[in-house]
Amino acid sequence: DAGVIQSPRHEVTEMGQEVTLRCKPISGHNSLFWYRQTMMRGLELLIYFNNNVPIDDSGMPEDRFSAKMPNASFSTLKIQPSEPRDSAVYFCASSQQGSGATIYFGEGSWLTVV
Amino acid sequence: GQQVMQIPQYQHVQEGEDFTTYCNSSTTLSNIQWYKQRPGGHPVFLIQLVKSGEVKKQKRLTFQFGEAKKNSSLHITATQTTDVGTYFCAGGRDSNYQLIWGAGTKLIIKP
Repeated sequence: DAGVIQSPRHEVTEMGQEVTLRCKPISGHNSLFWYRQTMMRGLELLIYFNNNVPIDDSGMPEDRFSAKMPNASFSTLKIQPSEPRDSAVYFCASSQQGSGATIYFGEGSWLTVV
Repeated sequence: GQQVMQIPQYQHVQEGEDFTTYCNSSTTLSNIQWYKQRPGGHPVFLIQLVKSGEVKKQKRLTFQFGEAKKNSSLHITATQTTDVGTYFCAGGRDSNYQLIWGAGTKLIIKP
């Protein structure tokens, strides 16, 4: 079975450019998460969708960040304009709804903003 | 706010030595999950503990959930190079979808 699929795997972009990260969750999972991981701050939850609806976006750093989930099999995380401090690994993850549900992570998108 | 403290941040061991990481929550958890992240990789689910005082084993790995469901530990016996990585605990609560993540413990095998 395919796991969570993310693209691009690696992206290097210049400050001020728009960045779009994409995610395809595991089929049948109705919860989707975007996480950011850095050395300084560790693993941070940015936003959580349930049944394609954003439930909690309190982790989104600022208005430059936005996320959408137009259908059950696709989500995007957009940064516009990007800044060097946005450099991080961005993980998409999915799970079946419910407390304690196992979270399955994608391989991550490694973003470098120069 | 809700927190899960995980210690130590790093642990250096000789191959063959044991390794332990501990997690402590400020609130009672409904369950705790453990994940492993290899260098350059993504977190991968290892196990979930639900019952008070539960102990589970996976080969050389032993996972415990405290009686009060506020703390947990992961113990690796006789570490091997394949154990290298960062181990995260993540606590779940009944009424909340969200997992509260520990900061992770990085296991480093000394050459």
